[in-house]
Amino acid sequence: AQSVTQLDSHVSVSEGTPVLLRCNYSSSYSPSLFWYVQHPNKGLQLLLKYTSAATLVKGINGFEAEFKKSETSFHLTKPSAHMSDAAEYFCVVSVREYGNKLVFGAGTILRVKS
Amino acid sequence: GAGVSQSPSNKVTEKGKDVELRCDPISGHTALYWYRQRLGQGLEFLIYFQGNSAPDKSGLPSDRFSAERTGESVSTLTIQRTQQEDSAVYLCASSTIGLAVYNEQFFGPGTRLTVL
Repeated sequence: AQSVTQLDSHVSVSEGTPVLLRCNYSSSYSPSLFWYVQHPNKGLQLLLKYTSAATLVKGINGFEAEFKKSETSFHLTKPSAHMSDAAEYFCVVSVREYGNKLVFGAGTILRVKS
Repeated sequence: GAGVSQSPSNKVTEKGKDVELRCDPISGHTALYWYRQRLGQGLEFLIYFQGNSAPDKSGLPSDRFSAERTGESVSTLTIQRTQQEDSAVYLCASSTIGLAVYNEQFFGPGTRLTVL
């Protein structure tokens, strides 16, 4: 089976400070990993994806994530938060052996203070 | 171009009534997915369509839930005899190719269903 744990349900940062959203996964096979963002009243948008190429993945809006197999982690980071980053972020795993269905974490709500 | 659209955006119904939720995928996308997002939880996979067939219905929570897709475009998710536990946001997504190979899924804005 595969599962995703997002370690923080809420994260609050000040504008201009770093962002760290934590994600751990469990999978018996080599996973593909993704981060999606959901702004209020908007659809989910893909931020970045890891599919067994480079372990450090760069996404849109200055976000990046590092796949660490030894730690089964895929944390999302950004050097400097912007007000427009306030949203809910989902860590997602899929495994080819399970038909590539997306399995979502519970989500982390990011609040950015001015 | 147009993204995935869903209607209605909000639906309030009484327990025991049937509801229909509609999804219009991106034109040309052969794969279509339905997910459910309960309050404070991540998305749960419900069903996947490849064209008009549904090779994976494993996520449908009960026989009160059904879905169909016609003309490789519009899909309808039907919930019969709704229960309060069905209250959630129902999200639809589409992609160019189905589950055999990963392709980015594009999500609609969702339908918020409230069962009183």
